[in-house]
Amino acid sequence: EVVLTQSPGTVSLSPGERATLSCRASQSVRARHLAWYQQKPGQAPRLLIYDASSRATGIADRFSGSGSGTDFTLTISRLEPEDFAVYYCQQFDGARYTFGQGTKLQIK
Amino acid sequence: QVHLVESGGGVVQPGGSLRLSCAASGFTFSSSAMHWVRQAPGKGLEWVAHMRSDGSKELYADSVKGRFTISRDNSKNTLYLQTNSLRPEDTAVYYCAKDLWGFGAFDIWGQGTMVTVSS
Repeated sequence: EVVLTQSPGTVSLSPGERATLSCRASQSVRARHLAWYQQKPGQAPRLLIYDASSRATGIADRFSGSGSGTDFTLTISRLEPEDFAVYYCQQFDGARYTFGQGTKLQIK
Repeated sequence: QVHLVESGGGVVQPGGSLRLSCAASGFTFSSSAMHWVRQAPGKGLEWVAHMRSDGSKELYADSVKGRFTISRDNSKNTLYLQTNSLRPEDTAVYYCAKDLWGFGAFDIWGQGTMVTVSS
């Protein structure tokens, strides 16, 4: 099973700052099968990025994804108040889907 | 408008069963693979099960294999999850989600239904 480890666990930033969230896989992941989600309290997750770097429909261009192999990154270029949430990476290896444990992005 | 609406959650004793349903609208359900994903209170996301659009293939997480069964009725645009031999650790919000074909991602999510396993 591919284990995804996200870092940091929690990050405190201010609106307008840049956020860089990391997702490291225990073995190589096809970029095509790497995605990122945002989840706010009491809400379902929302797909942000798929194919490691493609923005989902309606997602602002301040969100970007990058990476390959075992190291992937979600970047939020200029934080807006509505961006403070928990972010998850997720992969599919052909047999199983796994999520990282999440990174909580909180207001400083 | 694309919509997924889960139902069927509730409180059940350990060893009990529940059948969850997910009603889909606003997209071609019969052409879409579907998933169940769960989230225990205060915890992260855990994928549970997947079914192909035509029902020809199922995948399960090891934690539920042999106890849960995913199914679908394309004539009713509905996805199901039969949960048997429930354990306290199955307590979670259960979401159904639409598969983003070719990318192994979940592009549409329902609002979830809560399952509580407790005596």
